[in-house]
Amino acid sequence: SYVLTQPPSVSEAPGQTARIPCGGHNIGSKSVHWYQQKPGQAPVLVVYDDSDRPSGIPERFSGSNSGNTATLTISRVEAGDEADYYCQVWDSSSDHVVFGGGTKLTVL
Amino acid sequence: QVTLKESGPVLVKPTETHTLTCTVSGVSLSNDKMGVSWIRQPPGKALEWLAHIFSNDTKSYSESLKSRLTISKNTSKSQVVLTMTDMDPVDTATYYCARIGTGTSRFDYWGQGTLVTVSS
Repeated sequence: SYVLTQPPSVSEAPGQTARIPCGGHNIGSKSVHWYQQKPGQAPVLVVYDDSDRPSGIPERFSGSNSGNTATLTISRVEAGDEADYYCQVWDSSSDHVVFGGGTKLTVL
Repeated sequence: QVTLKESGPVLVKPTETHTLTCTVSGVSLSNDKMGVSWIRQPPGKALEWLAHIFSNDTKSYSESLKSRLTISKNTSKSQVVLTMTDMDPVDTATYYCARIGTGTSRFDYWGQGTLVTVSS
């Protein structure tokens, strides 16, 4: 089965750029989606199809995807961005949804 | 506006069968290529996809749980139902339903989630 690998945690100071990687075999050939989840809340889609943003999501959130790694980039990090972030793909070979293990972003 | 809401017993005994219902409003379950998934999250742990059903009634299940899961839908009631058999304390989690938009692979709308506790 397809596996997505994320680091458990990433830390960044306010105003800096945080990058959260999501690794998977040939992930560059898949559409990757990213979700933000704050404590006690349901996940919220922040980036879809590798690099598109839903309406209402700040331009500070962006994404890229190539080779074996997709990356969520958060520019000018704010305290309010502190949350867990999950990557997700649809594995068409198995018709299964796959989530990464999640990355906790800490704003120092 | 699309909304999803989970409902069902919040306390289940070990070995029991548990049924969760997701009520969808603002969109028809018969819309072409639309789908609804069930996803769970044990306390302090990651999201885990469980099952999915599309508007054409195509279904798919997590390999590790497929022997215990059944997903179905009632289009007229706008409900998607998940049944999980032989519940165990490790199944204690917040259970979410979420919509995959037509022709996409992303979850654009999520329910608020319901915490299910398995305990005797």
